[in-house]
Amino acid sequence: GENVEQHPSTLSVQEGDSAVIKCTYSDSASNYFPWYKQELGKRPQLIIDIRSNVGEKKDQRIAVTLNKTAKHFSLHITETQPEDSAVYFCAASMTTDSWGKFQFGAGTQVVVTP
Amino acid sequence: ETGVTQTPRHLVMGMTNKKSLKCEQHLGHNAMYWYKQSAKKPLELMFVYSLEERVENNSVPSRFSPECPNSSHLFLHLHTLQPEDSALYLCASSHPGLEHPPEQFFGPGTRLTVL
Repeated sequence: GENVEQHPSTLSVQEGDSAVIKCTYSDSASNYFPWYKQELGKRPQLIIDIRSNVGEKKDQRIAVTLNKTAKHFSLHITETQPEDSAVYFCAASMTTDSWGKFQFGAGTQVVVTP
Repeated sequence: ETGVTQTPRHLVMGMTNKKSLKCEQHLGHNAMYWYKQSAKKPLELMFVYSLEERVENNSVPSRFSPECPNSSHLFLHLHTLQPEDSALYLCASSHPGLEHPPEQFFGPGTRLTVL
């Protein structure tokens, strides 16, 4: 089955700096890679996703890159703000999976200090 | 609200109690999931229901018993739990298929403490 590894487990950045979180996956059949943000005491929410037919996707200060050959994908947050502090989870899935199962990474605790 | 609700939000129970967690989705999805979230661990998929049929049971102990009476409701029945079962239990729903984005929508979770 799919295995997703996520690094680092914790990340402290100064406000205004960039943050990068990296994930690797094992199943080359995976073709959908979402990123979820979970603020303290709240539910995980999708912030950005990428499919395997593109190499990069950007939404304002957030971007995701995908390297299918190396089987890794990364989340980039630029100009970080205190409200970016949260736990971020990557996941891998196959859109052909009839049941829509995700394999999640262990999460990265991001702390943005003013 | 994302359209997925869970009750109760907090639950404290003894090891001999029987309780149930409830999840309801108002999004017209056809798949529902139970996850366990413990500190410092990945989200652990417990059960998957597709069109009200259980399609996945990830080696979950029998003291956890899911029930999906219809596509909008999902329950997790608990009995004789252990302290290590204390965690946040998250429900999610989606509408997998080539014509739909496979995003999973999460409920707010039930924080379970087993004494």
